[in-house]
Amino acid sequence: QTVVTQEPSLTVSPGGTVTLTCASSTGAVTSAYYPNWFQQKPGQAPGALIYSTSNKHSWTPARFSGSLLGGKAALTLSGVQPEDEAEYYCLLYYDGVWVFGGGTKLTVL
Amino acid sequence: QITLKESGPTLVKPTQTLTLTCTFSGFSLSTGGVGVGWIRQPPGKALEWLALIFWDDDKRYSPSLKTRLTITRDTSKNQVVLTMTNMDPVDTATYYCARWLTVTTMDSWGQGTLVTVSS
Repeated sequence: QTVVTQEPSLTVSPGGTVTLTCASSTGAVTSAYYPNWFQQKPGQAPGALIYSTSNKHSWTPARFSGSLLGGKAALTLSGVQPEDEAEYYCLLYYDGVWVFGGGTKLTVL
Repeated sequence: QITLKESGPTLVKPTQTLTLTCTFSGFSLSTGGVGVGWIRQPPGKALEWLALIFWDDDKRYSPSLKTRLTITRDTSKNQVVLTMTNMDPVDTATYYCARWLTVTTMDSWGQGTLVTVSS
């Protein structure tokens, strides 16, 4: 059973920078896992932010960026806004199946 | 504009079979690379990928639920149907459908539908 691990919670100050990570139990995450990132606010469906590691959708704010960092997929928020407080999920592709991470609850305080 | 909407029962009894329909617009499941899949989220818990069907009828399933899931499509109706057998209270969740663009990209989600499993 493949497990994808994210930080359970992180706190950041408004205007600050924070990096969320996404690790795989199978080893280092590479671009072949096509990491996707999603944002979910309470009571809402998730919304897509990043695909294929670092590509932004047309609606993704510029302050969000994706990368590979130290064997993990990473989502960096620069210049955090209060409205960025949400749950963030990564999704990894494993040769025919997909696995979500457990989510990171980001608090802006 | 791309939209997806889930429909189906809000309450099912244990051991029953759940049938959910995803009706979509703004794209075609006949277009190369396009897929529609299902994800669920138990109350207060994380997302879980369930199944996906591609434009060429290629079907993928979560290994842990594979024996209980069937995904089909009706291209003429712009619908994808998920059936899950032998429902249990632990299957209580909000079920979402979403669009894939090849294996690399999931970009659009439905609003979700809450399914409760209880006798």
